[in-house]
Amino acid sequence: GNSVTQMEGPVTLSEEAFLTINCTYTATGYPSLFWYVQYPGEGLQLLLKATKADDKGSNKGFEATYRKETTSFHLEKGSVQVSDSAVYFCALSDRGSNYKLTFGKGTLLTVNP
Amino acid sequence: GAGVSQSPSNKVTEKGKDVELRCDPISGHTALYWYRQSLGQGLEFLIYFQGNSAPDKSGLPSDRFSAERTGGSVSTLTIQRTQQEDSAVYLCASSRARSGTDTQYFGPGTRLTVL
Repeated sequence: GNSVTQMEGPVTLSEEAFLTINCTYTATGYPSLFWYVQYPGEGLQLLLKATKADDKGSNKGFEATYRKETTSFHLEKGSVQVSDSAVYFCALSDRGSNYKLTFGKGTLLTVNP
Repeated sequence: GAGVSQSPSNKVTEKGKDVELRCDPISGHTALYWYRQSLGQGLEFLIYFQGNSAPDKSGLPSDRFSAERTGGSVSTLTIQRTQQEDSAVYLCASSRARSGTDTQYFGPGTRLTVL
């Protein structure tokens, strides 16, 4: 079956530091890959997505590249801000599983001023 | 337009009671998913609707859990004879069509506490 493994936190960074959150996946088909974010007290929001190999998803300064050869979708941001403090979830979906999302366990990021 | 809405936002119940959780998807979204988020298990899929039918119920943890969707819109998740392990945040998501490229939009969730 499908599974997602992501770096467990918590991760604590200073403002303007570089961020990487690792994510690898196992899937039987050709999945689409997602990063969702949950800000304190808010619901899950899509941050970015990539639907085929070598696609790069980007949003709000965050990027992730779909790497089929390493089955990875690592999240990066060059310079984090305090407002990026949140829980980040890597997820996948594929046709064989009715496009339901399979999530990683989440990574709590705290950015200090 | 409006996003996905869920009600109630919080529900506290006693062990053994039945509860109903409601989801109003984005208008026109044919796919609807229920998930739950708990500290121990993370985010887990429960059930998927395409229109009014549920082709995938594989995530429902026991026969105490059921769900229906009417008019291709509102969905209700029912938990009978609630147990303490049912305590979690129940999330609903909807998407436009059955495709891996379509984004699932999540509601704010219902926080269920079983005493």
